[in-house]
Amino acid sequence: EVQLAQSGAEVKKPGESLKISCQGSGYRFSSNWIAWVRQKSGKGRELMGIIFPADSDIKYSPSFEGQVTISVDKSISTAYLQWSSLNASDTAIYYCARLLMVRGNRWFDPWGPGTPVIVS
Amino acid sequence: SSELTQDPAVSVALGQTVRITCQGDILRTYSANWYQQRPGQAPIVVIFGSNNRPSGIPDRFSGSSSGNTASLTITGALAEDEADYFCHSRDSSGDLYVFGDGTTVTVL
Repeated sequence: EVQLAQSGAEVKKPGESLKISCQGSGYRFSSNWIAWVRQKSGKGRELMGIIFPADSDIKYSPSFEGQVTISVDKSISTAYLQWSSLNASDTAIYYCARLLMVRGNRWFDPWGPGTPVIVS
Repeated sequence: SSELTQDPAVSVALGQTVRITCQGDILRTYSANWYQQRPGQAPIVVIFGSNNRPSGIPDRFSGSSSGNTASLTITGALAEDEADYFCHSRDSSGDLYVFGDGTTVTVL
């Protein structure tokens, strides 16, 4: 079964650093882009960026460029999202998702369970 | 513009049909995907590429598209279909992705 497992909930203070993870299993991890998606309480989803594990090619959404760092360790099938200095506005649930590309269609499947991050 | 617009909420009587729409100029170029997210759960794809249903998704879910509008239809809604449904497509660069804000479906 194809799965994405994410690290557990985090409670941090403003100014602290954080790195959360997303580990894939059940498929060839290097072959598919992995996306990070933010969802604030009561709000819609926002794409933060995507990374291709095979060569670590990264594309950031303009709103998140310079605010977070996306990385990957393909040897352990794990993608990461990190902050060097959190602030309260980073409070949200963070999802990772695998990007599928078939015959010109692109969609996310599966999604990880989400990592809640509270900064307070 | 790469924005995708959805109605915030819709209700449907048990067993009836509900149509959810997603509007955006980018949909004239790229197809839409639809996801279901129940409270406390991860999203799952119910329609990809405008009108394709993944295996395991009931056939009461269908998708269509016309012009700048993509639609998700639930025919014969069940109580378990209560969830947030959001659309997704590529953005104007073609390399990144945008999401609609979601439509909360309530089954009465």
